[in-house]
Amino acid sequence: SQKIEQNSEALNIQEGKTATLTCNYTNYSPAYLQWYRQDPGRGPVFLLLIRENEKEKRKERLKVTFDTTLKQSLFHITASQPADSATYLCALDRGGSYIPTFGRGTSLIVHP
Amino acid sequence: DAGVTQSPTHLIKTRGQHVTLRCSPISGHKSVSWYQQVLGQGPQFIFQYYEKEERGRGNFPDRFSARQFPNYSSELNVNALLLGDSALYLCASSNIWSFQETQYFGPGTRLLVL
Repeated sequence: SQKIEQNSEALNIQEGKTATLTCNYTNYSPAYLQWYRQDPGRGPVFLLLIRENEKEKRKERLKVTFDTTLKQSLFHITASQPADSATYLCALDRGGSYIPTFGRGTSLIVHP
Repeated sequence: DAGVTQSPTHLIKTRGQHVTLRCSPISGHKSVSWYQQVLGQGPQFIFQYYEKEERGRGNFPDRFSARQFPNYSSELNVNALLLGDSALYLCASSNIWSFQETQYFGPGTRLLVL
């Protein structure tokens, strides 16, 4: 079965810096990879989707890269703000059959 | 427009009991997925329904079942509750049956099994 690794330790950064979160996966290469934000006690909120044939995707201050050779996706938040503090989850799916797999998430803490 | 709604918000049950959780998708969405999220872990996929048919099933025992109604709302049923079933149960809706479609999650139902 597919396994996803996200840093279990919280990432602490200063306001204004770029936060970089990592999502590594094993086994099959996913057709789609999604990133979500989750605040305590709330449901995840979709941020970005990247397809297997895409190297990079951007949305405002967010950027996602997808390296199928390294089996890794990187999620960047530029000019980070304290309001960006949350847990960020990556999720992927093989495509063809709907059985998505989520990572455990990485907590991001942005200090003012 | 209202987002995905789930009921109840919180629930306390004892081992061996049965529970029914409900989800109403965003208006116009025909796909509903259910996830279990244990504290400190990511959501784990349970079921996906599209147009009232099961389209995906995760690695959960037969004690877990679900259905989707003609109005696209959905129920998740769990029988013979175990302590390990304590978790946040999330429902997500999307327009079509595809992981490349944006999923919109509800606030979840927090289930505690004593």
